[in-house]
Amino acid sequence: GNSVTQMEGPVTLSEEAFLTINCTYTATGYPSLFWYVQYPGEGLQLLLKATKADDKGSNKGFEATYRKETTSFHLEKGSVQVSDSAVYFCALSDQGAGRRALTFGSGTRLQVQP
Amino acid sequence: NAGVTQTPKFRILKIGQSMTLQCTQDMNHNYMYWYRQDPGMGLKLIYYSVGAGITDKGEVPNGYNVSRSTTEDFPLRLELAAPSQTSVYFCASSPLGSGGEDNIQYFGAGTRLSVL
Repeated sequence: GNSVTQMEGPVTLSEEAFLTINCTYTATGYPSLFWYVQYPGEGLQLLLKATKADDKGSNKGFEATYRKETTSFHLEKGSVQVSDSAVYFCALSDQGAGRRALTFGSGTRLQVQP
Repeated sequence: NAGVTQTPKFRILKIGQSMTLQCTQDMNHNYMYWYRQDPGMGLKLIYYSVGAGITDKGEVPNGYNVSRSTTEDFPLRLELAAPSQTSVYFCASSPLGSGGEDNIQYFGAGTRLSVL
C-alpha cells in the first residue's frame, strides 16, 4: 500500500536559518504530493502541491520538488521566521478510483527561535 | 466564507457513552472525510463519502458510524466510547467530483476528544 515517511522532529532553528524537512513516499502509480501545515490549535491547511514528476510546488517562500527517481518531496525554505513554527505534514493522494483519500506522514514539528 | 466547521471543539466522555461529532461545509464539495490524529502520528482515515447518501470505510472504521443525508453535513457517531478513541478528530472536504480535479482537502479545526 501507499506510505509516507518524514524526518522526525522537533526541528529547532534560529530565525533566518535554512530549512529542509525530508519526505519520501511509496506508492503505486503516479500520486500527487502535498505539504500541509498545522498551526497550533488549528486544522491542516494546504501549503503547496505537485502533481507530476519534476513539478515544483511553492508558496510563502517554501518549495518542494517532485522527484520520481528518488521518490522524494523534500520541503525547503531559505530563511525561516518565528511565524513558521508549526507542524508540517507530507501527504500523497491515492489516485485509485473511489475514495481519493490522503496518506499522511507522521508530521514534523518546526520550532523557530528569535 | 466559513469553509469546514466542526463542533464541539473539546469533549470528555466516560467509557460506554455515545456522542456525535458534527461537521458541515459550505463549499458544495462532494467528497468528505473523517480522520483521527493520535499524538506524534499522521492522520488516519476513518470514513469517507463521495456524495450524499454514499459512505464507505477507511483504514480505522471500527467503533464509528457515519451518515451523509445532505451535501453539507457529515456527522461521525461514536456508539460505545472506549479509551482507545481518545484522539483529535478532523473533518475535511474536497472539490473532487464537483468540478475540481485536484485532491486538495480543506480541514476543519478539529475536535479534541478524551475518553476516561
